Amino acid sequence: DTEVTQTPKHLVMGMTNKKSLKCEQHMGHRAMYWYKQKAKKPPELMFVYSYEKLSINESVPSRFSPECPNSSLLNLHLHALQPEDSALYLCASTPAGTFVDGYTFGSGTRLTVV
Amino acid sequence: DAKTTQPPSMDCAEGRAANLPCNHSTISGNEYVYWYRQIHSQGPQYIIHGLKNNETNEMASLIITEDRKSSTLILPHATLRDTAVYYCIVRYSGGSNYKLTFGKGTLLTVNP
Repeated sequence: DTEVTQTPKHLVMGMTNKKSLKCEQHMGHRAMYWYKQKAKKPPELMFVYSYEKLSINESVPSRFSPECPNSSLLNLHLHALQPEDSALYLCASTPAGTFVDGYTFGSGTRLTVV
Repeated sequence: DAKTTQPPSMDCAEGRAANLPCNHSTISGNEYVYWYRQIHSQGPQYIIHGLKNNETNEMASLIITEDRKSSTLILPHATLRDTAVYYCIVRYSGGSNYKLTFGKGTLLTVNP
């Protein structure tokens, strides 16, 4: 299996809702990433987990809460989002530590906040 | 990681070679050049990477100049499905560096 699977593909949520995005990989990768991509902009790094521990938080607002319950699964919990948080949320994975391989990205979750 | 400069857009005729340039004049000796592409509304797709030597795989070829200050991604026979934004990224691959930073990329449009 060489894929990163993201669910759901599309999500519409209200500003008072709580929802979660899910990302799964079975490549044995021990580093997993969340990126955010606004329309017509490049992806921007949000969080990195390495060996199931949060390694990088790019000053992301606390209404985004990542979780890595095991080496194959990465979640992004969403709460009290704003309309400007509407974007494509991308998950990626790589080996941990020193590596030269390319990143494997999922196809993303298109989030709309109403 | 070193910064890259790419043209914002390029056109290519279907069946012809697409040559996408990238400048990375501040690249360090231990930084790799990576190319990714992103087809509309999909996740980025890894294409190829290199350090000093030219590289080729089933998708593309990567030509890196001898001084490593620039590179060219070559799609030998472009098809309509190659229409995408292509990102050139320079990244240090040692020391648990997990940051892959995207620039604005080049929108390649392959025309019939």
